[in-house]
Amino acid sequence: GIQVEQSPPDLILQEGANSTLRCNFSDSVNNLQWFHQNPWGQLINLFYIPSGTKQNGRLSATTVATERYSLLYISSSQTTDSGVYFCAVNTGGFKTIFGAGTRLFVKA
Amino acid sequence: EPEVTQTPSHQVTQMGQEVILRCVPISNHLYFYWYRQILGQKVEFLVSFYNNEISEKSEIFDDQFSVERPDGSNFTLKIRSTKLEDSAMYFCATSRLDRGKDTQYFGPGTRLTVL
Repeated sequence: GIQVEQSPPDLILQEGANSTLRCNFSDSVNNLQWFHQNPWGQLINLFYIPSGTKQNGRLSATTVATERYSLLYISSSQTTDSGVYFCAVNTGGFKTIFGAGTRLFVKA
Repeated sequence: EPEVTQTPSHQVTQMGQEVILRCVPISNHLYFYWYRQILGQKVEFLVSFYNNEISEKSEIFDDQFSVERPDGSNFTLKIRSTKLEDSAMYFCATSRLDRGKDTQYFGPGTRLTVL
């Protein structure tokens, strides 16, 4: 089956810093989503981005489907950005496969 | 924005007991999913459901598990005889379209603790 790898596994930032999270996948995908899991365990949709670039406030994402990777950019990080960031892919079936996540901690 | 809701938010049960986890999908969504996340681990697909049938299930979804849409609104996951290793967060998700053609929206989860 498809492999989804995220890097880095852990990231500590000072408030105000920028960061880039990466998601590599081993096969063609129909769909890629980025999620933020907050400290209460809720999965928040960030982007549905099978290809191209999208922006939402301080967050933006780019997926290069032909090269099988996606990037999530966080600018001017805030303490509320802390949590785990997951990418999840669908290869045309019914299941969505999650990566192991990047655990982000933003220090005040 | 419409939301997927799940009840209960936390369930504690004794090993061997049956539990039913409930989800109310977004109203115009037709495709429903259950996922599981063991503490500190990645989110794992359990099952997808459309038109009152399972469309795909993972190897985790064994005979202990079942899903149904009993009343046209709720979507339920039943675990017949819980085991310690069933302790996890269970997420319901729904989408308008299948096979990744649209965003999956996740509920807030039910944290299941099996003692």
